[in-house]
Amino acid sequence: KQEVTQIPAALSVPEGENLVLNCSFTDSAIYNLQWFRQDPGKGLTSLLLIQSSQREQTSGRLNASLDKSSGRSTLYIAASQPGDSATYLCAVNFGNEKLTFGTGTRLTIIP
Amino acid sequence: DGGITQSPKYLFRKEGQNVTLSCEQNLNHDAMYWYRQDPGQGLRLIYYSQIVNDFQKGDIAEGYSVSREKKESFPLTVTSAQKNPTAFYLCASSMGIGFYEQYFGPGTRLTVT
Repeated sequence: KQEVTQIPAALSVPEGENLVLNCSFTDSAIYNLQWFRQDPGKGLTSLLLIQSSQREQTSGRLNASLDKSSGRSTLYIAASQPGDSATYLCAVNFGNEKLTFGTGTRLTIIP
Repeated sequence: DGGITQSPKYLFRKEGQNVTLSCEQNLNHDAMYWYRQDPGQGLRLIYYSQIVNDFQKGDIAEGYSVSREKKESFPLTVTSAQKNPTAFYLCASSMGIGFYEQYFGPGTRLTVT
């Protein structure tokens, strides 16, 4: 069964620290992996898309890596800010029509 | 501004009533999707459409129906046959199926009592 797991479910970090969010998936034959941010009661905002042939993608203070052989992706957030507080979702396209989502990591940045 | 709009933001219905959720996009995307989000679970795919006048069932299509008469619009009807309809519903679109980035709307929270 194709599954996506995000551990931990919640994380609190002091402002200014760098942090890493984890995503693991069960099948290395993927099309792409997408990281999203979701604020409470809101829709999903796409942060980064990594295609199967890529190892990493960067956008501002965010860097996402992909290691298909180990079934892992990480989202690195540099110099965290209170505005980064949100739930971060990892989603994998396993080569079909849909994204398979993890349950997310709820991130709190402590001022 | 290009994007995806969903209306209404909140919807309340009595059990036994059908209800239709709206999704419109002006991104000129061919593919559109409906997902359902429940607390503690990942998003699950209800229906998707690759092109106008075509749509396919996702993982949890029972009790739902859709139409795709226009490229811009992909409404979702939650019927009385859906056993547990209270949830947060998210519409998404992409240029095509598979390799493309998906973009999401703001969601509709449906409460059925």
